[in-house]
Amino acid sequence: DTAVSQTPKYLVTQMGNDKSIKCEQNLGHDTMYWYKQDSKKFLKIMFSYNNKELIINETVPNRFSPKSPDKAHLNLHINSLELGDSAVYFCASSQGPGTSGGVRTGELFFGEGSRLTVL
Amino acid sequence: AQTVTQSQPEMSVQEAETVTLSCTYDTSESNYYLFWYKQPPSRQMILVIRQEAYKQQNATENRFSVNFQKAAKSFSLKISDSQLGDTAMYFCAFMKWNYGGSQGNLIFGKGTKLSVKP
Repeated sequence: DTAVSQTPKYLVTQMGNDKSIKCEQNLGHDTMYWYKQDSKKFLKIMFSYNNKELIINETVPNRFSPKSPDKAHLNLHINSLELGDSAVYFCASSQGPGTSGGVRTGELFFGEGSRLTVL
Repeated sequence: AQTVTQSQPEMSVQEAETVTLSCTYDTSESNYYLFWYKQPPSRQMILVIRQEAYKQQNATENRFSVNFQKAAKSFSLKISDSQLGDTAMYFCAFMKWNYGGSQGNLIFGKGTKLSVKP
């Protein structure tokens, strides 16, 4: 079983479209993240949710909207796609702050990434 | 603000030899984690090794070990007996640690592309 799974793995779309990327984790973690990896391989956090509550929201255009229906899922919706949105988007999970049990190692478990290409 | 610097964009090593990847970081925090992640061509981000800042002993994981110099804010990765499967991008990362857990914001360096040659 994949610990952190993202769909779709590849997404090619036109400028101006709206698209979503879904993420699910089966590790029992209560914190999930979205990271963006640009064309130069630089990774930067976009959002973090702990128990469905937004706890990190970096400077990201408001065309990007994360949604966490429950602590095992964190989806990313992107409106009005632009050429500069082309990147690999990684979902990740970890045992977050405030956890009463489990091992807090700081480790993030990443999904396989979703490569978004905007034409 | 924390920053992570990897000064070697690319490195290569012969199979079975040893290579060291450099990483320095800047922070005013006293409690934090440091990580090395590996990203092979498959794109998957894989944790290689982790170091808690409060631990003086350097972390080791099989052929991978770190040289953690807290005062110098240096965290290098040594790969011994390099294998072809070690070919990948290697990212050094920093995470602030708060009592009761971590904040979870991994700050990455720009990566070092390592090629292991047969």
